[in-house]
Amino acid sequence: GEDVEQSLFLSVREGDSSVINCTYTDSSSTYLYWYKQEPGAGLQLLTYIFSNMDMKQDQRLTVLLNKKDKHLSLRIADTQTGDSAIYFCAESKRTGTYKYIFGTGTRLKVLA
Amino acid sequence: SQTIHQWPATLVQPVGSPLSLECTVEGTSNPNLYWYRQAAGRGLQLLFYSVGIGQISSEVPQNLSASRPQDRQFILSSKKLLLSDSGFYLCAWSKQGARTNEQYFGPGTRLTVT
Repeated sequence: GEDVEQSLFLSVREGDSSVINCTYTDSSSTYLYWYKQEPGAGLQLLTYIFSNMDMKQDQRLTVLLNKKDKHLSLRIADTQTGDSAIYFCAESKRTGTYKYIFGTGTRLKVLA
Repeated sequence: SQTIHQWPATLVQPVGSPLSLECTVEGTSNPNLYWYRQAAGRGLQLLFYSVGIGQISSEVPQNLSASRPQDRQFILSSKKLLLSDSGFYLCAWSKQGARTNEQYFGPGTRLTVT
């Protein structure tokens, strides 16, 4: 199957850490991505992780991948009001078209 | 550097009218191109993708069509819009043969069918 699921909403206080979770069902996925969408805008690629990795860190962002449980998470350290947005995870396989399967998106609200 | 443009940014069209949305990419050659639709409060649905000029694959049956008349131009069309065609349309590109297959998105077109 090809389903990618995310919780719909997350609220955190400014300065706290945010953890956004994603589960997927297709174990043949090779790359997993995190995108950020601000209101009325397109999607901005934040980071990605290869399926043979467990963790990737990029400044305030930490991606954790549990391939056994098919669970992906994005941790944002020191969350700021500018981080308020919808976050999408996506998976990709190395087929000829390199299509993505997107999650439903998690709306992150940062409270001042 | 590469940039991706979409226009118009917003569009209000009556039911039954035609549609043409345009997407262009600069700074790269022979990209993979994609059209997505995002309904209000929902995730992204892949509509079409293209790996080259004149090569279009459709993901879902609908009254929309896509064309790629030039290497870096991708057009989404309809002969007669339906109310259900309302949504946020996003164009994206990726580099052919890239191992990591990152997709880069345009700013989107907000379509309201009345």
